[in-house]
Amino acid sequence: QVQLQESGPGLVKPAETLSLMCAVSGASISGSDWWAWVRQSPGKGLEWIGEIYRSGSTNYNPSLESRVTISLDKAKNQFSLKLTSVTAADTAVYFCARDARTGTLYNFDSWGLGAQVVVS
Amino acid sequence: QSALTQPASVSGSPGQSITISCSGSDRDVGAYGFVSWYQHRPGRPPKLLIYEDTERPSGVSNRFSASKSGNTASLTISGLRVEDEGDYHCCSYAGSRILFIFGTGTKVSVL
Repeated sequence: QVQLQESGPGLVKPAETLSLMCAVSGASISGSDWWAWVRQSPGKGLEWIGEIYRSGSTNYNPSLESRVTISLDKAKNQFSLKLTSVTAADTAVYFCARDARTGTLYNFDSWGLGAQVVVS
Repeated sequence: QSALTQPASVSGSPGQSITISCSGSDRDVGAYGFVSWYQHRPGRPPKLLIYEDTERPSGVSNRFSASKSGNTASLTISGLRVEDEGDYHCCSYAGSRILFIFGTGTKVSVL
């Protein structure tokens, strides 16, 4: 059973960088799947932020691309999110998820519980 | 591209059936066969209910079914139960520029 767990500061100051980590167990981030970040701002729907493959290839949401970096730590089987120059609009619950590519395509079959981040 | 449009809330009585719509465009929902649906209950991670428009993962109850017509996808919950309460989100693959677009989310209440 694949499990994902987000961690990181719950409070970030405006203009600073938001940093989150996602620890993966039950699957290797060096496998055939992509590893994604998704967020949910208060009162809104989910928003795909971006994702990364084992090679380091990334895809980002164009609306966030200039501020987002997703990277891998294969030794620790985890991946991270950095979002620079944050504003109050970046206050959200941030989820990490697996974009499964084995047997199926383009869906998120495993998720973390989410990490609340407040920009203030 | 804008978020897919879902009703803000849908409610029903135990045992009834409800349907949640997810309206997109010919650049996302209508262009590809990759709509997925997620259930998100408080205190739990989101759960994949449907993938590739109509397919149900192993272990997901057959009370959950989905369909698609043109640019609109739909999720039906049959035999509604109290434990079905929560938020439901649709998502569509949208091509190489922005891979995924989610819906606005629907809160399901069981009266």
